[in-house]
Amino acid sequence: DVKVTQSSRYLVKRTGEKVFLECVQDMDHENMFWYRQDPGLGLRLIYFSYDVKMKEKGDIPEGYSVSREKKERFSLILESASTNQTSMYLCASSRDLPSTMQYFGPGTRLTVT
Amino acid sequence: SQKIEQNSEALNIQEGKTATLTCNYTNYSPAYLQWYRQDPGRGPVFLLLIRENEKEKRKERLKVTFDTTLKQSLFHITASQPADSATYLCALGDGGFKTIFGAGTRLFVKA
Repeated sequence: DVKVTQSSRYLVKRTGEKVFLECVQDMDHENMFWYRQDPGLGLRLIYFSYDVKMKEKGDIPEGYSVSREKKERFSLILESASTNQTSMYLCASSRDLPSTMQYFGPGTRLTVT
Repeated sequence: SQKIEQNSEALNIQEGKTATLTCNYTNYSPAYLQWYRQDPGRGPVFLLLIRENEKEKRKERLKVTFDTTLKQSLFHITASQPADSATYLCALGDGGFKTIFGAGTRLFVKA
C-alpha cells in the first residue's frame, strides 16, 4: 500500500514565524502535491512537483514556497505565517500524469495565532 | 471561472437504502472525474474514476455516472451501511497536473 506521511498532525505557530510542513511518500511516485482544505471551499492546490527540484504553482501559491530535494520528500514552507493561513494542509502523491488516483497523507491542522 | 458544486447539506439515509450524491460543474471540460471518500481528521481516499467517454462505472456497491452534456455526475452507494458514513468529494481533471475538488457532501447512514 502507498503510504504518505506528514510530519505533524497538529501545529500551532505564531504570526510571523517560518513554518515547515514535511511530507514523505514511500512508493517512488514522481508527482507530489500540497493542498489546503477549508470548510466550504474544497481542496485548493498550492504547489505541485513532478520531479526532484521541479515545481509548478497551483491556484494559491502566495505566501508559500516548496522544496523537493529528494524524490520521496516534499516540503511546504510558510515564509512568514499569517492568521489567514490557519487551515488543514494535505500532501498527496501520484504515480503518473494526468494526476489521477492521488494518495493523500493524514493532513496537518495548522493554527496561526 | 471553473466551479464544482456538491450539495453542502448532509445526506441522511437509512441503512440498506441507496445513497445518491450529486456533483455538478460549470466552465470546465473534464477528461475524467473522480470520487474520493474522506473521514473526519483524515486525508481523502480514492474510490473511482470515470473518463469523459464513459457513461457509467461500477465497483462493488458503488456506481458512478457521468453526463458531460448535463455536466453532472451521480455517485450511488447501494445497500448502504453505517460504515459508509463519511464525506464524499468529487474531483475533476483535464489531463494535466491540476485536479479541481468539490467541497464534498457529508453522508450519514443510520442503523
